[in-house]
Amino acid sequence: DTGVSQDPRHKITKRGQNVTFRCDPISEHNRLYWYRQTLGQGPEFLTYFQNEAQLEKSRLLSDRFSAERPKGSFSTLEIQRTEQGDSAMYLCASSLWAGELFFGEGSRLTVL
Amino acid sequence: GDSVTQMEGPVTLSEEAFLTINCTYTATGYPSLFWYVQYPGEGLQLLLKATKADDKGSNKGFEATYRKETTSFHLEKGSVQVSDSAVYFCALSDQYGGSQGNLIFGKGTKLSVKP
Repeated sequence: DTGVSQDPRHKITKRGQNVTFRCDPISEHNRLYWYRQTLGQGPEFLTYFQNEAQLEKSRLLSDRFSAERPKGSFSTLEIQRTEQGDSAMYLCASSLWAGELFFGEGSRLTVL
Repeated sequence: GDSVTQMEGPVTLSEEAFLTINCTYTATGYPSLFWYVQYPGEGLQLLLKATKADDKGSNKGFEATYRKETTSFHLEKGSVQVSDSAVYFCALSDQYGGSQGNLIFGKGTKLSVKP
């Protein structure tokens, strides 16, 4: 299957620890997005890459969050000094065209 | 800023019933509109889209028409099946309003179809 893959699928961590999520997009897609989704809400945009360039960041992305996409292929999202409010599903999506996004199954973060 | 409002769920229907899920939007530019679906245990999938006013998107028996005059993009299906049980998200992409093509989602509407 050549869809968007995310790893790990579920991460449980203690408050104050750092966590990193990885996303492997569909290989020919140059656009990559990270979203966050909490229970009962729609996905909220976090950040966007075109190739290796991070072109847009949401105000939701505090200084504790950092995302990279070295070489324009896979991407990582790191959360430093996690807080309980960071508990959510982190979704990665990739696309060729604006708006028509293909999503992975998500990485669920639980901060204790 | 841009936003999407969709009807609260959950919606429970019997098989073969008619479905409407309302969606309205606010946008500064000329957005494209989308419906995404999330089946239990799966990732979000694009269901249908419309890129300009009066366009009708359709897929798997679902339809939605882009109505600029009412800023709406309501999802309809004439006869739902148990397999349509999922959460449905309305979304917009306002590339020319400066959002770089990312999607702004509504809160989602959970549909349960009973046999």
